[in-house]
Amino acid sequence: IAGITQAPTSQILAAGRRMTLRCTQDMRHNAMYWYRQDLGLGLRLIHYSNTAGTTGKGEVPDGYSVSRANTDDFPLTLASAVPSQTSVYFCASSSRDRDTDTQYFGPGTRLTVL
Amino acid sequence: GQNIDQPTEMTATEGAIVQINCTYQTSGFNGLFWYQQHAGEAPTFLSYNVLDGLEEKGRFSSFLSRSKGYSYLLLKELQMKDSASYLCAALDSNYQLIWGAGTKLIIKP
Repeated sequence: IAGITQAPTSQILAAGRRMTLRCTQDMRHNAMYWYRQDLGLGLRLIHYSNTAGTTGKGEVPDGYSVSRANTDDFPLTLASAVPSQTSVYFCASSSRDRDTDTQYFGPGTRLTVL
Repeated sequence: GQNIDQPTEMTATEGAIVQINCTYQTSGFNGLFWYQQHAGEAPTFLSYNVLDGLEEKGRFSSFLSRSKGYSYLLLKELQMKDSASYLCAALDSNYQLIWGAGTKLIIKP
């Protein structure tokens, strides 16, 4: 693995189903993030984790949950998917170096909820 | 509130120069990022400015004025592969990135 990986690449899901999007990084970054990107709205932060064992809510957390059991993995769960959660989901990570906190992105998961 | 403004779309000609502007209002400020995003792909890091002035990196330069809450990305010698969206993002006092909606740059031959 080099960088950040996400799985699945794309998914079509029936409304009401539970879904977990996976994210793994091998850069030993402290911080990880989940964004959704919708046309015309830019990237919106769903949840974040500044370090393993801690998580926080972003701008649009409702309907989503996350966990950070270790440094490398940061899964995002939709407990009961709704059509408004149709979007492209990006996972990102950063070192949390105070000189610069550049975020690096995974390839994304395209999710369609019907 | 926190806000990032950038133009929705710009068109430029291959070989020319284009400047993409960004204004920001954030709770505290810890730097300004520019990312490039090709259609269907993830954003990739281009530049970071925290001090006033111009940072040059090859064909791309980024400028910041903290007093004006203003940045621009300058792309020189445009190539067709520069057709992409360019995202401006400001790092606030909590070290969270506040993102603009992106500027779609169309390059014409």
